[in-house]
Amino acid sequence: DAGVIQSPRHEVTEMGQEVTLRCKPISGHDYLFWYRQTMMRGLELLIYFNNNVPIDDSGMPEDRFSAKMPNASFSTLKIQPSEPRDSAVYFCASSRTGVSYGYTFGSGTRLTVV
Amino acid sequence: KNEVEQSPQNLTAQEGEFITINCSYSVGISALHWLQQHPGGGIVSLFMLSSGKKKHGRLIATINIQEKHSSLHITASHPRDSAVYICAVKETSGSRLTFGEGTQLTVNP
Repeated sequence: DAGVIQSPRHEVTEMGQEVTLRCKPISGHDYLFWYRQTMMRGLELLIYFNNNVPIDDSGMPEDRFSAKMPNASFSTLKIQPSEPRDSAVYFCASSRTGVSYGYTFGSGTRLTVV
Repeated sequence: KNEVEQSPQNLTAQEGEFITINCSYSVGISALHWLQQHPGGGIVSLFMLSSGKKKHGRLIATINIQEKHSSLHITASHPRDSAVYICAVKETSGSRLTFGEGTQLTVNP
């Protein structure tokens, strides 16, 4: 398996523009997580899905952020409109039900909003 | 007070030294993870523990559930071990991970 695949790796956009981050989890994993990492706050959970259904979105900063998982092999995180304070590295991770299974992280998307 | 606390925040060692990074948590957990993040940002899962001890090469992770404490040990450290090591716990309620702030390890040749 190629692991968790995120795209793009880097994104630079102007304030006010819409940004869409993409994630393909590992086949067979039924959990998908979106995390954000900043120098100030470290790693934070934004939202996670189980079997394509959003379970906990309490970490989503505000209404400008939305996430979808239309099927088991694809998820998007959208920011509209983007702001400079959204600049961060966004990680997607997937996991499988069962305490013995760990998490696999994608390589991350480094977002810069200017 | 953070739910997951790591110490030290920064650690510098000479090649060959034995290294210990500590993690304490205050919530009930079903598992604890040790993650490694190299410059350039990729996150790699090193261990997942729910009890006892695990070993992989020069890395050893232990957990004491009663004391709510885990340690990551690196034997015979090497400059390529230089990275940020992050402790994360999976709470018994739900599937989210709660992260420590990380320990920046630098191993000098």
